Order: sequence, then structure tokens, then C-alpha cells
Amino acid sequence: SAVISQKPSRDICQRGTSLTIQCQVDSQVTMMFWYRQQPGQSLTLIATANQGSEATYESGFVIDKFPISRPNLTFSTLTVSNMSPEDSSIYLCSVEYGEGTEAFFGQGTRLTVV
Amino acid sequence: GQNIDQPTEMTATEGAIVQINCTYQTSGFNGLFWYQQHAGEAPTFLSYNVLDGLEEKGRFSSFLSRSKGYSYLLLKELQMKDSASYLCAAKDSNYQLIWGAGTKLIIKP
Repeated sequence: SAVISQKPSRDICQRGTSLTIQCQVDSQVTMMFWYRQQPGQSLTLIATANQGSEATYESGFVIDKFPISRPNLTFSTLTVSNMSPEDSSIYLCSVEYGEGTEAFFGQGTRLTVV
Repeated sequence: GQNIDQPTEMTATEGAIVQINCTYQTSGFNGLFWYQQHAGEAPTFLSYNVLDGLEEKGRFSSFLSRSKGYSYLLLKELQMKDSASYLCAAKDSNYQLIWGAGTKLIIKP
């Protein structure tokens, strides 16, 4: 299993500002992902964070809005840029140790944009 | 397209048994996962099926039929702490997780 530290756990932000969420894993892991989950809804994959190269974004998500860094195999950040109330959601960091294995999640960041 | 269907909400009684169904349609298949998510918390892994049949883990069991694109999660001897959302997810041919919307399970005394 993995111990994943994600912070902040929650934040209330003004529209137009940016928030950076950090994800620290207690061991090296190849596959790291960022998800968004809106209340009562499914998890939506934002992007795969690739170590040493640009993140791979899913349809509907762009780098200018959600820049991601992955400087090494234990750490990643997701920035939510130029926020609007529609960005209010829970953001989750996730890791997998192999293609056929389960996903482990950080505690999540509950973001409210006012 | 790819899709996971599961009931939105279910209610059961403490001490009873409940079965949460999940049907999936994915481009390729590389396993079916069940997660538990308590309100305000991150999902936690419960079970994994990649071959047909039943996997038992304590009070929880999960079943898979690949030919039917069907799985269920069986919870026995329900406890109040089992009140949570249960997420079904399948890995497609690219090993990407496709998530259902979750089933909110309400346990009544």
C-alpha cells in the first residue's frame, strides 16, 4: 500500500486566483494521477502526471487551466488556475504501482471558489 | 463509449446482507475494482476481480462475469459503519480506470 499526503485538505479561494495542491507519496511510484470529484458524482480523470515530461490531459482539461508538475517519482503538484465557482470540487491525487493493480488515493482537497 | 452503471442509492438493515450490482461497457477489460468512500473522505480499495467468479474477503465478497459485463459487491452482517458510497470501476485496454457514479448505501438500525 501507499501513504499519500495531500495538502491542503480544504481551501476557500477568491475567483480569479490560483491554488496549488501538493501530493507526496512515501515510495517511488511510476503512475500518478489527478482526479476531480463533484458532490455525488463519479471521479473524473484530469490528467496523468508524468515524471520528467509534460502531463497527459484528458478531454476537457488543458494545461493552461490545470498545470501539473512531477519533478520526481514521489511528488506532484496540480494547480487550478484563474478559478471560477465552477471549479469548486474535490481534487484527488492517486497512484498505482502497476497496470493491473489498485489505485491508492490521497485524502483529497475540498476547494470552494467564491 | 465506455460506461459503468450502478444504482444511485440503496437502503439496508443492520445485520442484513446487501448486494450492489454494477454493469460495465469498456474498450477492452483489465479488471474490475470496488472501492468504499465515506462522506468527505477518499476512496479506499475493497476488492479486485479479473477472472470470472467470486472473491471473498471477510464480510465482503465480489463477483465477476466477463461475458455479461457484470459484477456485484456483497456485504454481509451489515454494520452502521458500512454506510458509505461504493464505487465500481473497470480498467480498459489502456489500463485506465473507468468509474461508476457510486452507490450510496444507507444502513438503518
